[in-house]
Amino acid sequence: DAKTTQPPSMDCAEGRAANLPCNHSTISGNEYVYWYRQIHSQGPQYIIHGLKNNETNEMASLIITEDRKSSTLILPHATLRDTAVYYCIVRPRGGAGSYQLTFGKGTKLSVIP
Amino acid sequence: DSGVTQTPKHLITATGQRVTLRCSPRSGDLSVYWYQQSLDQGLQFLIQYYNGEERAKGNILERFSAQQFPDLHSELNLSSLELGDSALYFCASSVLAGISTDTQYFGPGTRLTVL
Repeated sequence: DAKTTQPPSMDCAEGRAANLPCNHSTISGNEYVYWYRQIHSQGPQYIIHGLKNNETNEMASLIITEDRKSSTLILPHATLRDTAVYYCIVRPRGGAGSYQLTFGKGTKLSVIP
Repeated sequence: DSGVTQTPKHLITATGQRVTLRCSPRSGDLSVYWYQQSLDQGLQFLIQYYNGEERAKGNILERFSAQQFPDLHSELNLSSLELGDSALYFCASSVLAGISTDTQYFGPGTRLTVL
């Protein structure tokens, strides 16, 4: 069963904020939310992760709702180089399933000039 | 550049053959993971090694095997190749054994084409 639901595709104008939603309504208390992206056929690139607090780094911000059932990845000023498939991944804190990343189909973000 | 290196970049071979893909993790990382990405299956976890020992197994076929050497580089061996094994193979590495706060960094991948 898929642990996350993401829209298959989104468009964003260059220079605007890209807000990518992810639904993880069955997430449990010990599971983290990770975001990766894959540009064309390159290796997936780590973006950010969080447990329940909002997180920000040099690439993006992660907003997790209070009930933790959904999250939003925000790219504050999208550029053409941000065109990629974005994967939202739920990962257990430990034990079986914590070792690997389970990728879904992700969201294909197209940044338009 | 993630610091993970993979060789070769491209590999073309015939059905029934055997190939070896190589991965060097980031400096200081003890875990190596292998993933397969095919058009119909998406990105799938195959196997993880931590400090030379197998730690976790995913959807890895019996025809495939891997190992991690004392210098921590890893090799993925694919034998009796079939057309359906054509895919991108990614290696990732992380510092620890794979707890959820241990971020995995991916290499550029090896594109395998089986003719």
